[in-house]
Amino acid sequence: NAGVTQTPKFQVLKTGQSMTLQCAQDMNHNSMYWYRQDPGMGLRLIYYSASEGTTDKGEVPNGYNVSRLNKREFSLRLESAAPSQTSVYFCASSEGGNAPYNEQFFGPGTRLTVL
Amino acid sequence: KNQVEQSPQSLIILEGKNCTLQCNYTVSPFSNLRWYKQDTGRGPVSLTIMTFSENTKSNGRYTATLDADTKQSSLHITASQLSDSASYICVVNRRGSNYQLIWGAGTKLIIKP
Repeated sequence: NAGVTQTPKFQVLKTGQSMTLQCAQDMNHNSMYWYRQDPGMGLRLIYYSASEGTTDKGEVPNGYNVSRLNKREFSLRLESAAPSQTSVYFCASSEGGNAPYNEQFFGPGTRLTVL
Repeated sequence: KNQVEQSPQSLIILEGKNCTLQCNYTVSPFSNLRWYKQDTGRGPVSLTIMTFSENTKSNGRYTATLDADTKQSSLHITASQLSDSASYICVVNRRGSNYQLIWGAGTKLIIKP
């Protein structure tokens, strides 16, 4: 079991470039999430997918789009990268639904720098 | 406003010593509180979860407490080891909002030999 995997691990973009961050989980979880983590701040939810076929905005969705490709995969797209999007991005998954406590399991993160 | 505040921001202790990390929250209505450990360059990993009715829960050398009346939680680490060096994050779940958690900024703990 790989758990939650993310690609790439590191990425440098120029302002205005686009890219897609990939995430996959092999735990048969229903729910998946994208967060960003900035120094001195708690994780902030960008988008989440409660179940396959649904996506919802989180706290900081502007400048991002997501696709729940299937039950395993959830991608995050930056259409026109800005320096303010320099951050560490984490994907997570959880059982979702009525699962008690709904623990989230995290991937290793993608470190993105926008110049 | 729903918030989670942790203290201290950072802490340095010697290997073998004990320490206590604090978490205060203003989240309502409360469902549960979870402590995560995040090693440098890795994603967070859950250490323990506290529900409304639980006061104390241990996981090896980690002991979490919850006082739902004062809206405070603590994480006590006993006989610290070098591998305990990490950030410890307190996360609160609002009742009825399973997907959007309230995250603290974390306490960065450094264990020195």
